[in-house]
Amino acid sequence: AQSVAQPEDQVNVAEGNPLTVKCTYSVSGNPYLFWYVQYPNRGLQFLLKYITGDNLVKGSYGFEAEFNKSQTSFHLKKPSALVSDSALYFCAVRDKVTNDYKLSFGAGTTVTVRA
Amino acid sequence: NAGVTQTPKFQVLKTGQSMTLQCAQDMNHEYMSWYRQDPGMGLRLIHYSVGAGITDQGEVPNGYNVSRSTTEDFPLRLLSAAPSQTSVYFCASSFSPPGQLRNEQFFGPGTRLTVL
Repeated sequence: AQSVAQPEDQVNVAEGNPLTVKCTYSVSGNPYLFWYVQYPNRGLQFLLKYITGDNLVKGSYGFEAEFNKSQTSFHLKKPSALVSDSALYFCAVRDKVTNDYKLSFGAGTTVTVRA
Repeated sequence: NAGVTQTPKFQVLKTGQSMTLQCAQDMNHEYMSWYRQDPGMGLRLIHYSVGAGITDQGEVPNGYNVSRSTTEDFPLRLLSAAPSQTSVYFCASSFSPPGQLRNEQFFGPGTRLTVL
């Protein structure tokens, strides 16, 4: 079975400071990993993904994430947070060994960036 | 392109009523899916489809039916609404399933459903 954990319900940072949103996963084989962002009263928007190759993945809006197989983590990072980054962030995983096409999401982390 | 559209935006039902949530996309995406979003639980997959005529169950399929007669449309039917189905429902689509190329999912704006 595949699953994702986002250990922090909320992350609060000051504008200009680094932002990290944590994600750990559990799969039988190797993972496909994704980050999505949801702004208030909107649907989710794709940020970035890890399929294979370079462990450091760069995505939209200056975000990046690092795949760490030994720690089964895929933390989302941004060097300098903006107030406009305040939103709900979701990590998602699909196990490569499965023949179905199900994507499992974490519970989400609310990010608040204060001016 | 209109992207992914969902109707209605809001709906209130009484227990036992049935209804269909509509989802359409104009991007010629093969993969479509339905999720429900509940506080503290993230998104849970209800049903998905990898192409017209092909559907499969997700994590929480009970009480819901889907069909995919065309590439564009993927309606979700609630057979007999229950208060436990009060949630926000999102439809999503992508060219390919998760893990393949061009698999970034595009989400609709959501339908907020309340079952009394």
